[in-house]
Amino acid sequence: GENVEQHPSTLSVQEGDSAVIKCTYSDSASNYFPWYKQELGKRPQLIIDIRSNVGEKKDQRIAVTLNKTAKHFSLHITETQPEDSAVYFCAASISSGGGADGLTFGKGTHLIIQP
Amino acid sequence: GAGVSQSPSNKVTEKGKDVELRCDPISGHTALYWYRQSLGQGLEFLIYFQGNSAPDKSGLPSDRFSAERTGGSVSTLTIQRTQQEDSAVYLCASSLGQGFYNEQFFGPGTRLTVL
Repeated sequence: GENVEQHPSTLSVQEGDSAVIKCTYSDSASNYFPWYKQELGKRPQLIIDIRSNVGEKKDQRIAVTLNKTAKHFSLHITETQPEDSAVYFCAASISSGGGADGLTFGKGTHLIIQP
Repeated sequence: GAGVSQSPSNKVTEKGKDVELRCDPISGHTALYWYRQSLGQGLEFLIYFQGNSAPDKSGLPSDRFSAERTGGSVSTLTIQRTQQEDSAVYLCASSLGQGFYNEQFFGPGTRLTVL
């Protein structure tokens, strides 16, 4: 089955600096890669996702890159703000026209934004 | 509209008892997923429903775990003869289930504590 590795487990950055979280996956058939943000005591919420037919996607201060050859993808947050503090999870799955398999998640990165 | 709801929000039980956890997906979502999140861990996939059928039960950790979905809507996850290692937050998610790359929307979870 799929295996997703995520690094680092904890990341502390100064407010206004950039943060990068990296993930690798093992199953070359995976074609859908979402990123979820989970604040303490809250449910995970999708912040951005990328399909295997593109290499990069950007949404305001958040961007995700995908390297299918190397089987790794990364989350980039620029101009970090205190409200970015949370745990971030990467995930991978195989999606077809009939829906998507269950997501395989990384173990999460606790992002701390220092004021 | 209403999001994914789960009940109960908290459940405390004694070792050896059976528990039932309920998930109400977003109306119109045909795909439903169960995940487990242990303290400090990532999200672990348990089972996936497309309509009332479960194409993928590969994540269920033992035969004490079962799930069903009736009417293509509500799902229940049952854990028989609970063990202390079953203590975790059980999260349900739903998606449209048709077409490619559908976002999974998570419920608030049920926190299960086995004494």
